[in-house]
Amino acid sequence: EAGVAQSPRYKIIEKRQSVAFWCNPISGHATLYWYQQILGQGPKLLIQFQNNGVVDDSQLPKDRFSAERLKGVDSTLKIQPAKLEDSAVYLCASSLAGPRNTEAFFGQGTRLTVV
Amino acid sequence: DAKTTQPNSMESNEEEPVHLPCNHSTISGTDYIHWYRQLPSQGPEYVIHGLTSNVNNRMASLAIAEDRKSSTLILHRATLRDAAVYYCILKEAGTGANNLFFGTGTRLTVIP
Repeated sequence: EAGVAQSPRYKIIEKRQSVAFWCNPISGHATLYWYQQILGQGPKLLIQFQNNGVVDDSQLPKDRFSAERLKGVDSTLKIQPAKLEDSAVYLCASSLAGPRNTEAFFGQGTRLTVV
Repeated sequence: DAKTTQPNSMESNEEEPVHLPCNHSTISGTDYIHWYRQLPSQGPEYVIHGLTSNVNNRMASLAIAEDRKSSTLILHRATLRDAAVYYCILKEAGTGANNLFFGTGTRLTVIP
């Protein structure tokens, strides 16, 4: 079974530039999550999708971050404009929907460096 | 989000058992205890979860205290590939990964 795919693996940009990350979840997984992991910390949820609808985006800095999941499959996360403090690993995860979902599957992440 | 407390780091010799502790004194009756681990340069991966009884799977065992205020993840025979950060997480039954609140975890070093 193919895992969660993310690209790019690494990205370096200057502050105030824009950047986008792409995620392809495991086939059949209706729920998709984006996490931000700053060096030395555990992952922190940014946004959760159920199919193509947003379930939870309470931790997403909406003045500069946006995310979409067109057609309920792939998702993109965008930062515009980037700040130095956005340097982190951005992780995408997916899981089956419904009350019995107990396990989330994570991609390898995109390491963003803002200089 | 219910809080868990773990040691920042632990060491183990290769091929020896490892016991990773987790305290969760404020656990509620509906909280499951989940463990994830994160290998270097990888995303977290699910290890095991339980509610009240001890659990075993191919990766590890989970021992849960009778009062559920603490638990221990047991790796029966540590290998170099087990070197990772281990996260103990309380998760309400039936909820998704939006309820996975990761702390700083325990960094396990396996010594050859």
